[in-house]
Parts: sequence; C-alpha cells; structure tokens
Amino acid sequence: ILNVEQSPQSLHVQEGDSTNFTCSFPSSNFYALHWYRWETAKSPEALFVMTLNGDEKKKGRISATLNTKEGYSYLYIKGSQPEDSATYLCASAGNNRKLIWGLGTSLAVNP
Amino acid sequence: DSGVTQTPKHLITATGQRVTLRCSPRSGDLSVYWYQQSLDQGLQFLIQYYNGEERAKGNILERFSAQQFPDLHSELNLSSLELGDSALYFCASSPGQVSSYEQYFGPGTRLTVT
Repeated sequence: ILNVEQSPQSLHVQEGDSTNFTCSFPSSNFYALHWYRWETAKSPEALFVMTLNGDEKKKGRISATLNTKEGYSYLYIKGSQPEDSATYLCASAGNNRKLIWGLGTSLAVNP
Repeated sequence: DSGVTQTPKHLITATGQRVTLRCSPRSGDLSVYWYQQSLDQGLQFLIQYYNGEERAKGNILERFSAQQFPDLHSELNLSSLELGDSALYFCASSPGQVSSYEQYFGPGTRLTVT
C-alpha cells in the first residue's frame, strides 16, 4: 500500500449502534498515525495520535487501535449518537515525517 | 475553537490574479502546516514551517509560496491563479516539528477563482 486508504467510504447507522472503520497505511518506515473528526462546515479536530504497535487509545465512546506490522488502524464508536455524524479522517506519516491523508469515512447516525 | 485563526474566510478573485492567505497559529505552537482541499479530494499537504524555517514540502505548485514570520504567523501566496486553484485552504499548527504531534486546524479560507 502506497497511500492511506479508508473503508468504508460512507456508513449509515442507527442511534445506539456500535460501528468501526478501517484505515490502511504503508507499514514500512511507519512513524505516526492520526485520526481526526471533521464535522460539516467545521474544521478537522484531532482525536488520536498513535505511534507504537499495539497502541490503543480511548476518548469517551470512541477508541482506536494500531497495528503497524500489518499497516492498519481501527476506529470504534460505541453506541453511536447523532452528534457523532461526521467524516473521520486518518493520516499516516513515514520516516519523512509528512502526513498522508485518507479520503475519510463519512458517518451518518440516524436518530 | 482550535485557537488557530485564518483570514480571510472567503476570497473571490479572477484567473491570473495573486492572493495572500494568512494564518496565526495557536499560542505556543511553532509549526504551521498548509493544506488544500479541492472538491471530491482529500486533504493535500502543501508545506510545513517550523519556527520560521521550511520543514517539509508536499504537493505545492511552483506558483504557490509560503513563509512564516518571526511572530510565527504564516502567509500562503498563490499567484497566476487558475480555475483549478479554487479550493478550501486550511492552516494547522502544532507544538513541535514532527508528525507525532496532533495538529490544530483553523476554520479555513474558501478561495473561488472565476
């Protein structure tokens, strides 16, 4: 994988559902993995930055895991709420320290 | 509110013109990043400055240039504008120069080239 790929591209869930998205990134020369939340008409807001294989981070109902050996990260949202509706972006940096951004997963939570 | 400010919020100009976008980072942050987001495309990294010096370059066109001043604010200059330069331009800041720091994004400048 040369680029950062996110799946699915979009997701519609019901309020209360738990959901997860995937970010795939180049595993060679890995340096850091970022997750951001981007609400419509606002600017991206940092959720997590992870650097170590096996890292797990949590903020409220949102958590993320990191596997640098196989080049993927999962973002989990437990008990989705309408206010979780946003685009979730991941970005990966290699040894050149430049972040490469995925196209995002657009989440819509129906009340 | 991330603490990063960008001006102007909107800019409408004609092809061939030159514009300057301005960014003030969060207090204490030394790094400034510029991004371009065009329709149906993801965030494209343009350039990073750290404490006044260029640190990393991404997909920045030769018609574009940037600088960071001693007070740490940054300007992105776009010249000989083309229709395809219409986009949302974000500035972000972080405390350090490496990408293990989270970035704080400004509200963006919407540029429309007609």
